[in-house]
Formats: sequence, C-alpha cells, structure tokens
Amino acid sequence: KQEVTQIPAALSVPEGENLVLNCSFTDSAIYNLQWFRQDPGKGLTSLLLIQSSQREQTSGRLNASLDKSSGRSTLYIAASQPGDSATYLCAPSRGGGYQKVTFGIGTKLQVIP
Amino acid sequence: KAGVTQTPRYLIKTRGQQVTLSCSPISGHRSVSWYQQTPGQGLQFLFEYFSETQRNKGNFPGRFSGRQFSNSRSEMNVSTLELGDSALYLCASSLGPLGGDQPQHFGDGTRLSIL
Repeated sequence: KQEVTQIPAALSVPEGENLVLNCSFTDSAIYNLQWFRQDPGKGLTSLLLIQSSQREQTSGRLNASLDKSSGRSTLYIAASQPGDSATYLCAPSRGGGYQKVTFGIGTKLQVIP
Repeated sequence: KAGVTQTPRYLIKTRGQQVTLSCSPISGHRSVSWYQQTPGQGLQFLFEYFSETQRNKGNFPGRFSGRQFSNSRSEMNVSTLELGDSALYLCASSLGPLGGDQPQHFGDGTRLSIL
C-alpha cells in the first residue's frame, strides 16, 4: 500500500523567500507524480506532472524534482508571493493495485506580505 | 475551454438516503476519476472511468458506485448514506488514463453533508 508523507505540514514565510516542499512515498513503482495546489473550499489546480523517467519539471517560478529510487519529490518555489498561499499536495500514481493515485495530506503554505 | 464541472456544489441529505453526483469533464477528456476528501483522511481515490469502463477502484464499500456515459460525463452514486460520508467529493478528468503522461484537472467539488 502506497503511503505518502509531506513535510512540513505547515509553513509560514515572508514574501520573496525561496522555499522547498517535500514529498516522500513508500512504493517507488510509480508511473508519474503530480503536484497540486488547493485553495480553501476549492478543487485542486495542477501545477506540475513528472513522469517516472524524468528527473524534474519547471513551470515559471516552480520546479519539481523526482528521485524515484529513494521515493522522494520536492517542489521548489522561487521568490514566493502572497498569492502562493495555499495547500500543496503531491500525488504519485502507480500502475496497478486498487490504490491508483495516493495523495499526501499536504503542506499548508502561508506567504506573509 | 471550460473546465471540469461538478453539480450540485452543495447537497444535504439524511442518513439512509441515496445521492447522485455529476461530473462533466473537459471537452475531449476520456478519463474521469472520483475522490473523497475529508479533514481526517485527506484525499482518497474512489474510482476511475475511461471510455465508459471502470479501470480501477479504491478501497471503498460497494455503496459507492459510478458510471460513465458515451460523452465521457460521469455520475457517482452513494446509497444508504452514513454520517461518515460527509465530505467534499472531487472529480478529475484527463486526456488519457491515470498513470500516463497527461495531468489530471479537478473540478471544484460537491460538498455533501449528511444529517
């Protein structure tokens, strides 16, 4: 059974700071890993998708890396802004078994102006 | 391009009733997945439909069922509602099946409250 852990659970940083969110998973037999953000009362917004054969993906100020062998992924946010405040979730997707996609509980980020 | 649309946004039911939730995927997307989100358990995978076939199912009781129509719209049904079914139910669509190279796109969810 896949288990996903996200550290830290909550993070508060001043605007402009660079930060790293961590995601670890127990089953390395994954096809891909997706990072999302969720604003209160809303659905999830897709940020980045990394295939199992890739090491990293970049989109604007966001960079996600994947080390499948060690079961880790990180999301790097450069020059954080108040609009980045949200809960960030990672979700590895595997090829078989009944637990197709497993989400972490998330990291709640607050960027202080 | 319209995003994933879930209806209704809010729903209040009583124990023992049944409920049907609807999800319209992004145009052209053939995969629809359903998730349950609660404060205690986080997001849990319910099932995925691709081209009208259920491809995978999470660890939920048989009271939770779904289907997908030929236009890729999907419905989820929960029968004999229990208090513990109170949650935000999220639907996600993608071009290809889960585990491929296409990202999932989520709707804003249906918040179900059981009294």
